[in-house]
Amino acid sequence: DTGVSQDPRHKITKRGQNVTFRCDPISEHNRLYWYRQTLGQGPEFLTYFQNEAQLEKSRLLSDRFSAERPKGSFSTLEIQRTEQGDSAMYLCASSSTGGGQPQHFGDGTRLSIL
Amino acid sequence: GESVGLHLPTLSVQEGDNSIINCAYSNSASDYFIWYKQESGKGPQFIIDIRSNMDKRQGQRVTVLLNKTVKHLSLQIAATQPGDSAVYFCAEIMAYTNAGKSTFGDGTTLTVKP
Repeated sequence: DTGVSQDPRHKITKRGQNVTFRCDPISEHNRLYWYRQTLGQGPEFLTYFQNEAQLEKSRLLSDRFSAERPKGSFSTLEIQRTEQGDSAMYLCASSSTGGGQPQHFGDGTRLSIL
Repeated sequence: GESVGLHLPTLSVQEGDNSIINCAYSNSASDYFIWYKQESGKGPQFIIDIRSNMDKRQGQRVTVLLNKTVKHLSLQIAATQPGDSAVYFCAEIMAYTNAGKSTFGDGTTLTVKP
């Protein structure tokens, strides 16, 4: 299967701890997106990369959040000093460059803060 | 601000019937639309897309209609099957600006009764 892969699938941690998630996009895709989804809601945009460059960040992405895509392939999303409100599903998607390209999503990392 | 809304949060249909899921969008600058299906514990799965220069697009058992005059799109599923039970999201995109990031509505939960 050459779809978008996310790891881990589930993460349970205590409030105040740091967590890091990984996303491996479809190999030929230049663009990579992170979204957050809470129960009963649609995904909300967090940030996106064109190759290794992070080109846009949502206001939802506080300074406790950081994302990287060092070699333009896989990406990591780190949350420092986690809070209860960070509990959500974190989704990664990738697409080709160009207007009107569908985004292909991974199955997400579900984060639970105790 | 931008928003994409679905008319009904839930829809229940009998197996074999046709389903229609509706979505209203507010940003007239959006020029690309996608319908996603999301099953429990999984990421959104691309179903079908449509560009703003089209009114209708057909796939396998699915049809998307776009009415730009009233900023409305719909997803029609023919001969609905139990495997179609899921949450359906519409997403709007400004394909040539905003880096193709998607703005999602809150979803319609489709339940197919055998």
